Amino acid sequence: GAGVSQTPSNKVTEKGKYVELRCDPISGHTALYWYRQSLGQGPEFLIYFQGTGAADDSGLPNDRFFAVRPEGSVSTLKIQRTERGDSAVYLCASSLSEFSADTQYFGPGTRLTVL
Amino acid sequence: AQKITQTQPGMFVQEKEAVTLDCTYDTSDPSYGLFWYKQPSSGEMIFLIYQGSYDQQNATEGRYSLNFQKARKSANLVISASQLGDSAMYFCAMRGHSSGNTPLVFGKGTRLSVIA
Repeated sequence: GAGVSQTPSNKVTEKGKYVELRCDPISGHTALYWYRQSLGQGPEFLIYFQGTGAADDSGLPNDRFFAVRPEGSVSTLKIQRTERGDSAVYLCASSLSEFSADTQYFGPGTRLTVL
Repeated sequence: AQKITQTQPGMFVQEKEAVTLDCTYDTSDPSYGLFWYKQPSSGEMIFLIYQGSYDQQNATEGRYSLNFQKARKSANLVISASQLGDSAMYFCAMRGHSSGNTPLVFGKGTRLSVIA
């Protein structure tokens, strides 16, 4: 079946603008995760959804970042008043359940560049 | 808190040879899982192999095997018969199992280059 998809693949924006990044998980996967990967680093956790609710948003860096998953499938990561430091690859992953041994499958990421 | 350390920023291996990528970890969680992912230049993280902390045997998956030494807190990835397509970044990651669903914690990665 289809894997995790993310759109857009690339996003260039200006400092101060608002952006939305979309993630479409594997069909039937109830858990969805957002990570951010800066150049030369491993991915860092941002937020995790089980169903429609954010079960853990402890990784969100500040209140400019927000994510939703209104119907328990597609998720949108929203960044307000973007800053140059927000430039990174934003990765989405999904897993069959919230069972912690379940493998997380990643999408190709959205490369965000803030000028 | 959990921490993953990958001490090899880059590795070279001759095609058809075996290579070991190092990973050490730190956690206070008595039950946890260890994962390895491959990230080619396309950017997608590809799951390779999983080892549970209470698994009696080292995990294997095709040409990938995990050399798990619990007392030393190491979970090294062994790739046998390297292929040119194995050239990529490799990330070790872990999750605790005892405290509900915890996020994956990643190391900084090792860049593997396979030479013909």
